[in-house]
Amino acid sequence: EAGVAQSPRYKIIEKRQSVAFWCNPISGHATLYWYQQILGQGPKLLIQFQNNGVVDDSQLPKDRFSAERLKGVDSTLKIQPAKLEDSAVYLCASSYNPGPRLETQYFGPGTRLLVL
Amino acid sequence: AQTVTQSQPEMSVQEAETVTLSCTYDTSESDYYLFWYKQPPSRQMILVIRQEAYKQQNATENRFSVNFQKAAKSFSLKISDSQLGDAAMYFCAYKTGANNLFFGTGTRLTVIP
Repeated sequence: EAGVAQSPRYKIIEKRQSVAFWCNPISGHATLYWYQQILGQGPKLLIQFQNNGVVDDSQLPKDRFSAERLKGVDSTLKIQPAKLEDSAVYLCASSYNPGPRLETQYFGPGTRLLVL
Repeated sequence: AQTVTQSQPEMSVQEAETVTLSCTYDTSESDYYLFWYKQPPSRQMILVIRQEAYKQQNATENRFSVNFQKAAKSFSLKISDSQLGDAAMYFCAYKTGANNLFFGTGTRLTVIP
């Protein structure tokens, strides 16, 4: 079974530029998550999708971050314009979501973003 | 608000020895789930072990086991017979029902040959 795929793996941009990250979840996984992991911290949820609908985006800085999951499969996360404090690893995860008792999130390798 | 605290930023263990990583959490919920995730250097995060709060028996997965103390809100991870491949960041995480994972700040484990 293929895992969660993310691209690119690394990205360096200057502040005020825009950037986009792509995630392909495990086949059949209805739930998709984007996390931000700042150096020295644990991952923090940015947005959760159930199929192509948003379940939770309360921690997403909506003035600069946007995300979509067209057709309930792949997802893109965009930052426009980027700030220095956006430097982090952006993790995508997916789950089959049979219910909270059995749910396991599977993580991708992440995209490491450096904003100069 | 829920919080997850990992008070040990770094730990080290001799190969083949046993090490325990600490985690405490704060919640007013009675039904929740606790997890330990492993994040090797430059590799993806994987689930090590999970514990459901309503279960009194501590979870075990091969060399990994937990000590779940619900009253004390403590959830420590014990790694027995440590191997070089166990070297990684370990994150404790908490979840209630439909809510999402809330992670601690992590403990970096070094395994000394």
